[in-house]
Amino acid sequence: EAEVAQSPRYKITEKSQAVAFWCDPISGHATLYWYRQILGQGPELLVQFQDESVVDDSQLPKDRFSAERLKGVDSTLKIQPAELGDSAMYLCASSPPTSGGQGDTQYFGPGTRLTVL
Amino acid sequence: QKEVEQNSGPLSVPEGAIASLNCTYSDRGSQSFFWYRQYSGKSPELIMFIYSNGDKEDGRFTAQLNKASQYVSLLIRDSQPSDSATYLCAVISGGSYIPTFGRGTSLIVHP
Repeated sequence: EAEVAQSPRYKITEKSQAVAFWCDPISGHATLYWYRQILGQGPELLVQFQDESVVDDSQLPKDRFSAERLKGVDSTLKIQPAELGDSAMYLCASSPPTSGGQGDTQYFGPGTRLTVL
Repeated sequence: QKEVEQNSGPLSVPEGAIASLNCTYSDRGSQSFFWYRQYSGKSPELIMFIYSNGDKEDGRFTAQLNKASQYVSLLIRDSQPSDSATYLCAVISGGSYIPTFGRGTSLIVHP
């Protein structure tokens, strides 16, 4: 069964350092999402890609976060510099092409647990 | 700001009972509604989706959608201890296809 791959699974870093997360969506899925989930809260959408184009990044803190999906397949999310408040689970999800004009079912990867010290 | 509201719980039910989880949303133009289950430390997994008003059943799970009242619910029949998890409601706005998640409801099924 196809799955969304993410790496690393766990990352511990010190504040002011740079971190990067990688996501490989399910083959054929055009839409890719990056979420941040703080303990006890729901996932918060950071950025949504359709192929290589950004659909929405209104909640992405652009002074320190960046995301790219250069060839419309895998994606990287970067934080520079990391802050204590960035400690969270970073989730990647992908969706198949939309059918019938309905919203897309999202399939989540295992996530990256980031701890900033 | 589009909002999706869920009672954080915990909702505690005995094994074999029906668990009822509720979600309200603010965007009247929303068109797609999803329920995800998330075990502690794990990523969300899809349980059900619903697009049209009414009920949709899948095994022990029933999703109910009422667009006029802007709520969607999930019923879990014959609840099992393995159903203990956080249940996330997700709503996708019409046109933009941008998803918004609620904070989730913690469900505890006790033997």
